[in-house]
Amino acid sequence: DAGVIQSPRHEVTEMGQEVTLRCKPISGHDYLFWYRQTMMRGLELLIYFNNNVPIDDSGMPEDRFSAKMPNASFSTLKIQPSEPRDSAVYFCASRQTGVNQPQHFGDGTRLSIL
Amino acid sequence: GENVEQHPSTLSVQEGDSAVIKCTYSDSASNYFPWYKQELGKRPQLIIDIRSNVGEKKDQRIAVTLNKTAKHFSLHITETQPEDSAVYFCAAIEAGRRALTFGSGTRLQVQP
Repeated sequence: DAGVIQSPRHEVTEMGQEVTLRCKPISGHDYLFWYRQTMMRGLELLIYFNNNVPIDDSGMPEDRFSAKMPNASFSTLKIQPSEPRDSAVYFCASRQTGVNQPQHFGDGTRLSIL
Repeated sequence: GENVEQHPSTLSVQEGDSAVIKCTYSDSASNYFPWYKQELGKRPQLIIDIRSNVGEKKDQRIAVTLNKTAKHFSLHITETQPEDSAVYFCAAIEAGRRALTFGSGTRLQVQP
């Protein structure tokens, strides 16, 4: 199994630009999670999907952030317009349905907004 | 919602010594408690987990204990090695929810 695949691994862009992060969950996993990690705030859950439907987006910081899951094998997290304070590592994770199934993370996207 | 507190924030031990990291949780309905290890610049990786119907679980040099009455769980690493140096996160999941709540992490440094 290839694991959770995220792209790009690194992104450097200027303030005000649109940023799109991508994620392919593990095949057969029907839960997908987006996290943001910073030194100050640790691992924050932004949003999660079940069977491609957003279930809880209460962690999305503001309207500049949006996430979609058009099918079971692909999700995007978009920031528009980006700001320097959005600089962080963004992780995608997935897991199967079932009581207490383990959750697996992708390698993350390191985002720097100049 | 769930709140997970983790201590200590940093821990330094000598190679071969044991290390213990402790977490407390707030929601008595939580029933699954995984631990993740994150090396510098890498993704969090699941190293061990425990379910609420079990008090202790071991996997080679690592073990996790759970006290549901006190609502705390701990990670124990014995015979520590330099490659154990990393940030460790505990987490908890409520029975009716599907998202983990993470602790703030413990930076473990194993001195050779």
